[in-house]
Order: sequence, then C-alpha cells, then structure tokens
Amino acid sequence: DGGITQSPKYLFRKEGQNVTLSCEQNLNHDAMYWYRQDPGQGLRLIYYSQIVNDFQKGDIAEGYSVSREKKESFPLTVTSAQKNPTAFYLCASSVDGISYEQYFGPGTRLTVT
Amino acid sequence: AQKITQTQPGMFVQEKEAVTLDCTYDTSDQSYGLFWYKQPSSGEMIFLIYQGSYDEQNATEGRYSLNFQKARKSANLVISASQLGDSAMYFCAMRALYNTGGFKTIFGAGTRLFVKA
Repeated sequence: DGGITQSPKYLFRKEGQNVTLSCEQNLNHDAMYWYRQDPGQGLRLIYYSQIVNDFQKGDIAEGYSVSREKKESFPLTVTSAQKNPTAFYLCASSVDGISYEQYFGPGTRLTVT
Repeated sequence: AQKITQTQPGMFVQEKEAVTLDCTYDTSDQSYGLFWYKQPSSGEMIFLIYQGSYDEQNATEGRYSLNFQKARKSANLVISASQLGDSAMYFCAMRALYNTGGFKTIFGAGTRLFVKA
C-alpha cells in the first residue's frame, strides 16, 4: 500500500533534548512538507522540500531543522531552541511543488516536559 | 495578506440533514485554489474537495459540494445527508504562492462538526 508513515504516534521528551520525527513516503512524490498543529488551531508550515537535497523554511521554522537526503524521507528535528515544542506534527507530500493535493501522514504527537 | 477565516468554532447538525460550513478567504492573487480537509479525532487529514479560482462550476464530490462565490471571497462547504461519521474537525485551506518560490497551503482555524443521532 502506498502512503506516508510517521513514527512514533506519541513521543515524550524532556526539555532541552533534541528529538527527530520520522516521515517516510512510498508514493514517489517529489515534494514533502512538515506542519505543526496546536490545539484548536489550523496547520502551520514549518519546512517544505520540493526536491531531494533542497528545502525551504516555512512560516515557523525557528527551532526546527530538516534534511532531504532521500526522496522517500524527510525527517524533522525539534531542537532545544524551540520554545514551545509540544504539539501535533503532520507530514505531507505531493506529486510536486505545484500539485495542489497533499497526502498526509497520521501525525506524531510530541509532548515535552 | 493571504488569510483563511472560519468563523464557526463548532456546529451541530441532525443526522440526515444538510449543513454548511463557512469559509472566507483573502488573497491578491488572480490564480489560487481552495480546499477542504476533514480531520477525525485520530488526527489524519483527509482531502475532501478542491476548487480552482478559474473554475466556473462549483466543485462536487459525492455528498460534499463547495459553494464558491468569488466576488464575496467565500468557499463554503456543504455536506448533504449528514452521517454520524461526519463528526470531525473541518479545515478550509488555500493554496498560495510562497515568497521564496513554490506553493504553500494556508489553513483556517477549523470548524468542529457534531452530528446528532
């Protein structure tokens, strides 16, 4: 089955630790995205990548980093510089950077205490 | 500034009735796209429907239709014959050109729909 996987579903970390969220897709999509969702709010774009080895900052990139070494993978690192990291993180992909339809993964709920 | 506004934090509808979820948008672009997504309690985002700014016909997908009024900058979602499984959060979104190149999707704050038996 083609799709996007995110692991783990729930993640707990202590304040001050970096944590990496996994996102893998087997849809052969060029573009991938990371969004953050806070309770009662819509999604906000953290980073996006239109092609391998290239990525761009979104609206709330501070305190986050990404890499895109392989087409299938777009991991997100939440660093200790992120002031309020507790949130629901969603990864998405699309055929390319122009295509309007995005396919979403199941999300990772990160709790930092 | 590009923005999506959903003014209904929560909505109730009786099963089998129709419901309209409101969405207004703001953009200076001539070409843009509008979407609706459904987010059940499990968290995944499910694409429902898309309307391009140059599409003359309102988009429809099964029980979902998008009431697109360009002059009023509104893109309301109509769900006909509501089902209990329609209870979820619904997000209106707009595809916009990003200042560093490429396109991004801007989301509204969402409307939580409750379907009553």
